[in-house]
Amino acid sequence: GDSVTQMEGPVTLSEEAFLTINCTYTATGYPSLFWYVQYPGEGLQLLLKATKADDKGSNKGFEATYRKETTSFHLEKGSVQVSDSAVYFCALHTGNQFYFGTGTSLTVIP
Amino acid sequence: GAVVSQHPSWVICKSGTSVKIECRSLDFQATTMFWYRQFPKQSLMLMATSNEGSKATYEQGVEKDKFLINHASLTLSTLTVTSAHPEDSSFYICSATLTVNQPQHFGDGTRLSIL
Repeated sequence: GDSVTQMEGPVTLSEEAFLTINCTYTATGYPSLFWYVQYPGEGLQLLLKATKADDKGSNKGFEATYRKETTSFHLEKGSVQVSDSAVYFCALHTGNQFYFGTGTSLTVIP
Repeated sequence: GAVVSQHPSWVICKSGTSVKIECRSLDFQATTMFWYRQFPKQSLMLMATSNEGSKATYEQGVEKDKFLINHASLTLSTLTVTSAHPEDSSFYICSATLTVNQPQHFGDGTRLSIL
């Protein structure tokens, strides 16, 4: 069945470091892909999305490209900030269902 | 791993009826549960945050009298869509967390269709 596999955390980086959080998916159809972020004490917020192959989603310096050939949607940011400390969820939407990754906790230290 | 059960997975009912959706954490105590709604071809939208034993905190634009949330125990939160109408048809999903700083665990979602 459809599923999302996300890099396990926790991830700890120094400020201004490069971030990559890996996400791969399995889907029978043509899913839309999302990255959600959860800041401490809050619910999920949409970070970015891509609805078809080769689309690149971007927001707040984060980027992810929908790669059909590698079934991946890796999240990247060139220079992280302390305020980026949060839990990041990769998600797939197809048909009537959302499938979430297990979440990756990111801590950025000054 | 932590399991969250959401029930029912699919419900179809007539306009004007009330529908209750349950969200249960099966193997952990969830002090906080979140309720989300997904409109067609859009991403999830947070509706409310539910803390055990206290009133839910609703996001701006969400009618608290329309979407009643009860979190009476550490393993169960319910969302009741009162006097449902076709525009309430949507996909509703809950998530649960042990504490606000712990990972969220998602239910499988409920597809609500109002005729």
